[in-house]
Amino acid sequence: KAGVTQTPRYLIKTRGQQVTLSCSPISGHRSVSWYQQTPGQGLQFLFEYFSETQRNKGNFPGRFSGRQFSNSRSEMNVSTLELGDSALYLCASSGKNSPLHFGNGTRLTVT
Amino acid sequence: GENVEQHPSTLSVQEGDSAVIKCTYSDSASNYFPWYKQELGKRPQLIIDIRSNVGEKKDQRIAVTLNKTAKHFSLHITETQPEDSAVYFCAACKAGGTSYGKLTFGQGTILTVHP
Repeated sequence: KAGVTQTPRYLIKTRGQQVTLSCSPISGHRSVSWYQQTPGQGLQFLFEYFSETQRNKGNFPGRFSGRQFSNSRSEMNVSTLELGDSALYLCASSGKNSPLHFGNGTRLTVT
Repeated sequence: GENVEQHPSTLSVQEGDSAVIKCTYSDSASNYFPWYKQELGKRPQLIIDIRSNVGEKKDQRIAVTLNKTAKHFSLHITETQPEDSAVYFCAACKAGGTSYGKLTFGQGTILTVHP
């Protein structure tokens, strides 16, 4: 069974730009979550989607948004990028009685 | 919301020794407690988890204990090996059905096992 797939692996953007990250969950998993990982703040929950609906949201500004498609694939978008948005963005999926498994992440660098 | 504290932040042991990492949580509604191992440049990988209806769980050299009354849980690694060197994260959430997604993580423990 293929794991969680995230694209792209690396991304360099300039302040003020926007970015879209993509995630394909493990086959059969309908829940997708996004996390931000930084050296200073650790792993922080962004949001969770299930059946195309946002089920939970973390404490991030409205510049961070996401969506889920009918095939469970998910995207997250960050608008008006700031230097502090530089981080590893991790997507994870879970299913019925199947806990969270992470993808390899997208390393975003904002210059 | 949930708050998870993890200690120690760094742990250095000799190969063959045991390692213990401790976490406390604040929300008594939390019922699911996973542990993740993250090697440098890699994704966090689930190594063991425990639900609130169980006090202890073991998988080969790894065990987790949970004290609901005190709101703390611990990871125990016995007979440590150099390949156990990594960052370990504890986490907590109120899980149910398909919802394991909103995890609150501890700050991580850098474990170094010296040969």
